[in-house]
Amino acid sequence: AQRVTQPEKLLSVFKGAPVELKCNYSYSGSPELFWYVQYSRQRLQLLLRHISRESIKGFTADLNKGETSFHLKKPFAQEEDSAMYYCALSGPGNQGGKLIFGQGTELSVKP
Amino acid sequence: DGGITQSPKYLFRKEGQNVTLSCEQNLNHDAMYWYRQDPGQGLRLIYYSQIVNDFQKGDIAEGYSVSREKKESFPLTVTSAQKNPTAFYLCATDRENTQYFGPGTRLTVL
Repeated sequence: AQRVTQPEKLLSVFKGAPVELKCNYSYSGSPELFWYVQYSRQRLQLLLRHISRESIKGFTADLNKGETSFHLKKPFAQEEDSAMYYCALSGPGNQGGKLIFGQGTELSVKP
Repeated sequence: DGGITQSPKYLFRKEGQNVTLSCEQNLNHDAMYWYRQDPGQGLRLIYYSQIVNDFQKGDIAEGYSVSREKKESFPLTVTSAQKNPTAFYLCATDRENTQYFGPGTRLTVL
């Protein structure tokens, strides 16, 4: 079954500390992986996708096909990073753009 | 933001009533989606439409219905058959495998 798992509901770190939001997936094939973010009182929006291999707001994520993981990392967390983060995947050929979302992880960065 | 609007922002419904949530977009995107967001469960796909006059069920379509008569509009009706309709509903469009979300409608059943 296709599934995205984010094991942490809440992750709390201090400003300047490294942060890693975990994402594991189950998919028979080669999916495309994404991280979406929802800041307080803002819309859910794309943060990054694995095929871009870019760093957005200091965040990076590497697709590990062997471990079927796509963890989101940032070396030094900032207070403005506090938000809800969702990992998501879509199947090859986009399959109509359908996304499968994880349960979400709330990141709280304390001063 | 803008581009995708959802109305109303808050909606209260009595049990047994059908309600319709509006989603309008001016991004000229073909694909549109409806998700339900519940705490601890992430986003779950209700219905999606890739073109006008066509739509498919998502993972939790029971108790919901949609229409896609215009490219710009994708309304969602929550029927009385939906057993637990209280939730936050998000509409989205898709372009080049990136989804763009509306501000959401919070539905509460009294």
